[in-house]
Amino acid sequence: DAGVIQSPRHEVTEMGQEVTLRCKPISGHDYLFWYRQTMMRGLELLIYFNNNVPIDDSGMPEDRFSAKMPNASFSTLKIQPSEPRDSAVYFCASSLLPQGNSPLHFGNGTRLTVT
Amino acid sequence: GENVEQHPSTLSVQEGDSAVIKCTYSDSASNYFPWYKQELGKRPQLIIDIRSNVGEKKDQRIAVTLNKTAKHFSLHITETQPEDSAVYFCAASGATGGFKTIFGAGTRLFVKA
Repeated sequence: DAGVIQSPRHEVTEMGQEVTLRCKPISGHDYLFWYRQTMMRGLELLIYFNNNVPIDDSGMPEDRFSAKMPNASFSTLKIQPSEPRDSAVYFCASSLLPQGNSPLHFGNGTRLTVT
Repeated sequence: GENVEQHPSTLSVQEGDSAVIKCTYSDSASNYFPWYKQELGKRPQLIIDIRSNVGEKKDQRIAVTLNKTAKHFSLHITETQPEDSAVYFCAASGATGGFKTIFGAGTRLFVKA
């Protein structure tokens, strides 16, 4: 298996622009998670899906952030409009069972820079 | 909700020595405790995990211990090698909060050759 695939690897954009991050989970994994990593706040869970349905989005920072999972093999995280404080590495991860029972498999991340 | 504290934030050891990283968690309902290693510029990867019905688990040079009463768990790396240099994250998850995995702040381990 190719693992969790994220694109793009790097994204540089100007403040106010829309940013879309993409993720393909491991085939057969029913859970998909979006994390944000910064030096100040560490690894933060933004949202997670079970069988394509959003279960908990309490970590989404504000209405500028939205996530979708139209099918079992694809998810997007969108920021509109982007702000410099959104600069971070965004990781997508998938797991076979609920997080409480199995490990997370992370993608390589998208490094977002908003100028 | 769950809160995970991790110490130390930075650890420097000589090659061949042991390294110990400690974590505490707040939610007594947490029952799964994974450890992840993240090399510079790369993704976190699972190195070992332990469930609440087990007190200790070992995999070659790596071991994890869990004290449920005290809500402590620790990572032990023996015979450290330069390639062990990375950031290590402990995490906790369980039924409370919908099985969300909460991460510690991380420990940056330096192994000096």
